[in-house]
Amino acid sequence: DTEVTQTPKHLVMGMTNKKSLKCEQHMGHRAMYWYKQKAKKPPELMFVYSYEKLSINESVPSRFSPECPNSSLLNLHLHALQPEDSALYLCASSLNMETEAFFGQGTRLTVV
Amino acid sequence: AQKVTQAQTEISVVEKEDVTLDCVYETRDTTYYLFWYKQPPSGELVFLIRRNSFDEQNEISGRYSWNFQKSTSSFNFTITASQVVDSAVYFCALRERYSGGGADGLTFGKGTHLIIQP
Repeated sequence: DTEVTQTPKHLVMGMTNKKSLKCEQHMGHRAMYWYKQKAKKPPELMFVYSYEKLSINESVPSRFSPECPNSSLLNLHLHALQPEDSALYLCASSLNMETEAFFGQGTRLTVV
Repeated sequence: AQKVTQAQTEISVVEKEDVTLDCVYETRDTTYYLFWYKQPPSGELVFLIRRNSFDEQNEISGRYSWNFQKSTSSFNFTITASQVVDSAVYFCALRERYSGGGADGLTFGKGTHLIIQP
């Protein structure tokens, strides 16, 4: 089983809304990631959790807030987003920092 | 400086042709990891292969093969007898073992859009 599950698949939100993206894996992976991907661009790393601790924050605006409640779950809390934040948000996990990452199908976010 | 360069933005071939996707990387680390991912229109990134810096063996998996050459810092991907289902964006990615405060996540190239025409 190499499945990373993301919900919702699509999300439309207003600039004053608060919403959360969810990610789940049951592969026993100890590293989990959030990536942002704009159209026709490569994924850009936003956050990395290693053993449930945030290890990297790539200077992402504070309107994005990650949370790792346990080793299987990863959330991305969204608040006061801008239209330019519209993108595909991808979650991924890997056994550790040296192995391949498996990606979910992503959440297509539109901010109106 | 760009760490992963995929110079081919788009490649279009006719089905059954062979096609090679180029990837050139840059790193100062002696230990690093290289990856290829496929992204079909559905959006999910599909893992294809990982290669460690200390393992220069080339690999073949069905119609797919990879050529890793440290001397030229290249990790090229060849599809033999291409099929329409191979149409996708292909990303080469790098993870450095000691990135000096940079990314422990994957650094992706800009991707190559491969179009296989029937």
